[in-house]
Amino acid sequence: AQKITQTQPGMFVQEKEAVTLDCTYDTSDQSYGLFWYKQPSSGEMIFLIYQGSYDEQNATEGRYSLNFQKARKSANLVISASQLGDSAMYFCAMSFRDDKIIFGKGTRLHILP
Amino acid sequence: DAGVTQSPTHLIKTRGQQVTLRCSPKSGHDTVSWYQQALGQGPQFIFQYYEEEERQRGNFPDRFSGHQFPNYSSELNVNALLLGDSALYLCASSPWGLMNTEAFFGQGTRLTVV
Repeated sequence: AQKITQTQPGMFVQEKEAVTLDCTYDTSDQSYGLFWYKQPSSGEMIFLIYQGSYDEQNATEGRYSLNFQKARKSANLVISASQLGDSAMYFCAMSFRDDKIIFGKGTRLHILP
Repeated sequence: DAGVTQSPTHLIKTRGQQVTLRCSPKSGHDTVSWYQQALGQGPQFIFQYYEEEERQRGNFPDRFSGHQFPNYSSELNVNALLLGDSALYLCASSPWGLMNTEAFFGQGTRLTVV
């Protein structure tokens, strides 16, 4: 079965600290993509970062990096130097060729001033 | 360049009614997918349209149907609305065949069924 698990329903982090959001996945497919999305209270799903299953290097996009551990089926998001504007819901997701995107249940991140 | 646009942004309907939600994809995107996001949950895949045909479908009843037009825009129709259909409905567009690596989401339509 294809599944995404996010075990942290909520997190509180002090501004300027780094934060790691956990994500594990389950699939028997060899070719897949892993995503992280940010969803502010407005509802729009904002793409943050992508990692392909065959990519050997961890993906990075500005302050976001994806810690990809394929053998452990783990794809944690690391946000460096957190900002107040980072407060939002964060979803880990997985996609397959020409197929749907499967989302986890999300982690609500609160950045404290 | 406009991204993915959805209309309306909010909608209130009564049980048993029918509703149509609309989505215009990002320029250059030919594939549209619809998702339902219940409060406090992650989005759930409803279906995907490419070349005006439904290509993939999630675990949703036939009350949920869709359409894609030649200009790639899409509609989601829900018949015989239930209270449980209250949710945020998200539309995503992408170029076909890129494993959603360039998928963009709209701001969603918040449907409330009373």
